[in-house]
Amino acid sequence: NAGVTQTPKFRILKIGQSMTLQCAQDMNHNYMYWYRQDPGMGLKLIYYSVGAGITDKGEVPNGYNVSRSTTEDFPLRLELAAPSQTSVYFCASSTRDRGLVYGYTFGSGTRLTVV
Amino acid sequence: KNEVEQSPQNLTAQEGEFITINCSYSVGISALHWLQQHPGGGIVSLFMLSSGKKKHGRLIATINIQEKHSSLHITASHPRDSAVYICAVRLNYGGATNKLIFGTGTLLAVQP
Repeated sequence: NAGVTQTPKFRILKIGQSMTLQCAQDMNHNYMYWYRQDPGMGLKLIYYSVGAGITDKGEVPNGYNVSRSTTEDFPLRLELAAPSQTSVYFCASSTRDRGLVYGYTFGSGTRLTVV
Repeated sequence: KNEVEQSPQNLTAQEGEFITINCSYSVGISALHWLQQHPGGGIVSLFMLSSGKKKHGRLIATINIQEKHSSLHITASHPRDSAVYICAVRLNYGGATNKLIFGTGTLLAVQP
């Protein structure tokens, strides 16, 4: 089925370890996003991309990095994991045509625990 | 104060009841989204609104741009409607991105 695919679904990291959360979409969407969801809080934007080769910081980028070498893939890299990065991470994509936004689609999420 | 406020935060209903979830926002927007998240699950987009009203099955979403308020209604509620319902707005600053600002969600439990 078309959509946004995130892997892994669950991961436990030790403090100081690194990992990459994978995100892929097959809808040819220009825009891709990484959000984190913490208990009692609205989703917060970590990084976003408006197209291949273009990325920019969101509200909470510290401790993360991204790349967008293709339209389909938008991996999120955690360097030197910290307990504050324990969260549920969602990747999303959308597209825009002549000013009209449509197709906002979320992945199923990655639950990350840093111990 | 959050730019997007939802009420109530928690809601328990009996099967068959009519349910209303409210969303107020304090910024200029170009669109408002209603999203559904089942426990431990992913997020599904229910509606995107820029004016008026939309209906899909038992779900109805309305928006009043002048009052900066939107409501999500569920008619003839069912236990499978139990989920977190999230309101999100897209800012109207003319930027090239489609970034959203999210409310904290309304946890709905529908009891049989």
